[in-house]
Amino acid sequence: DTGVSQDPRHKITKRGQNVTFRCDPISEHNRLYWYRQTLGQGPEFLTYFQNEAQLEKSRLLSDRFSAERPKGSFSTLEIQRTEQGDSAMYLCASSLVLGGREAYNEQFFGPGTRLTVL
Amino acid sequence: QKEVEQDPGPLSVPEGAIVSLNCTYSNSAFQYFMWYRQYSRKGPELLMYTYSSGNKEDGRFTAQVDKSSKYISLFIRDSQPSDSATYLCAPRDTNAGKSTFGDGTTLTVKP
Repeated sequence: DTGVSQDPRHKITKRGQNVTFRCDPISEHNRLYWYRQTLGQGPEFLTYFQNEAQLEKSRLLSDRFSAERPKGSFSTLEIQRTEQGDSAMYLCASSLVLGGREAYNEQFFGPGTRLTVL
Repeated sequence: QKEVEQDPGPLSVPEGAIVSLNCTYSNSAFQYFMWYRQYSRKGPELLMYTYSSGNKEDGRFTAQVDKSSKYISLFIRDSQPSDSATYLCAPRDTNAGKSTFGDGTTLTVKP
């Protein structure tokens, strides 16, 4: 399968625990995005990377959240001291931007990691 | 108020009906207008995109954008049970990497 993959698909944790999710983008895609989606709502942007550089972070991304893309390939999203309000689907997407243009580029989404904080 | 407002639904139609899904937005910088389809427990998949104002047709689907009124529409002709999903509008400005999504309209097409 050459699509975007995410691991784990489901995570149940207790309030206060730390969790880490992984996203593997489509090979050679240089942009990687993280979104969060709660039930009945559309995805909300969290952050995105161009290669290994984190170019934008939403104010939704509190200091308990950190994302990395150390070698410009896979990315991890860590949530420290989880709260019940963090329960959501965390979606990763990737795209290929050529020549530095920031015009339309198709974002391919992974299946998401569903987090439940008890 | 959200930047993108989408008709909430849910919407239930008989097979073969014409479906109209609509969004309004407030950010004048939006230039690209995407429609995504999302099946239950799956990630969104791109259905269509339109640049600036105008219409774009792809098979049974037509996307329409009116920038003067900041109104986005997706029409589905001859709807099929397999079209049952949540449809998300997602406009984007030309210089941002992110999409701003509406909250989605859940469509059910009954055989």
